[in-house]
Amino acid sequence: DAGVIQSPRHEVTEMGQEVTLRCKPISGHDYLFWYRQTMMRGLELLIYFNNNVPIDDSGMPEDRFSAKMPNASFSTLKIQPSEPRDSAVYFCASTLWDSPNSPLHFGNGTRLTVT
Amino acid sequence: GEDVEQSLFLSVREGDSSVINCTYTDSSSTYLYWYKQEPGAGLQLLTYIFSNMDMKQDQRLTVLLNKKDKHLSLRIADTQTGDSAIYFCAESIRTDSWGKLQFGAGTQVVVTP
Repeated sequence: DAGVIQSPRHEVTEMGQEVTLRCKPISGHDYLFWYRQTMMRGLELLIYFNNNVPIDDSGMPEDRFSAKMPNASFSTLKIQPSEPRDSAVYFCASTLWDSPNSPLHFGNGTRLTVT
Repeated sequence: GEDVEQSLFLSVREGDSSVINCTYTDSSSTYLYWYKQEPGAGLQLLTYIFSNMDMKQDQRLTVLLNKKDKHLSLRIADTQTGDSAIYFCAESIRTDSWGKLQFGAGTQVVVTP
């Protein structure tokens, strides 16, 4: 089991550019979550999917952010256009089923820096 | 919304016990979690407890829950240098998914020889 795989590990981009973050969940996991970690706000849930369908995107900051899950093994989080305040570590997590006994498995994150 | 609060820093000597504290605000039945984050890595679930329990022990880890004060603690016995990390307390938000967690700001634990 390779765990949740995120790419890239680091991304540096200029303000106004489009950024795409990628996630491959653990095979067989039906739920996928995108979290963001900043010094100011800590860890925040952005959006989550169940069986590739977005269920709750109320944490997405604004229309510049979009997330997709075209199939069970791949999800993207896109920021267009990016702004310096988007600089953060973005985590993807997956879980087998929706139960408190089913832990979230986190990827190692993508550190995004927008200059 | 709910707030989960933690102390930000703890320094402990190798071999001593560490105690990390957390307070939460949701008064309904909920699950509470402790995660560990090592540098450059994601969060790893350490343990969790349901809010109707008082204590849970798992090897070197002991979780204590004071429901009246909404206070949660994680005790690490015989702390090792490998325990140096950031520890997050989290509460399930309990709307439509157990994966929706409210995290504290994290406690940085530094273990000194």
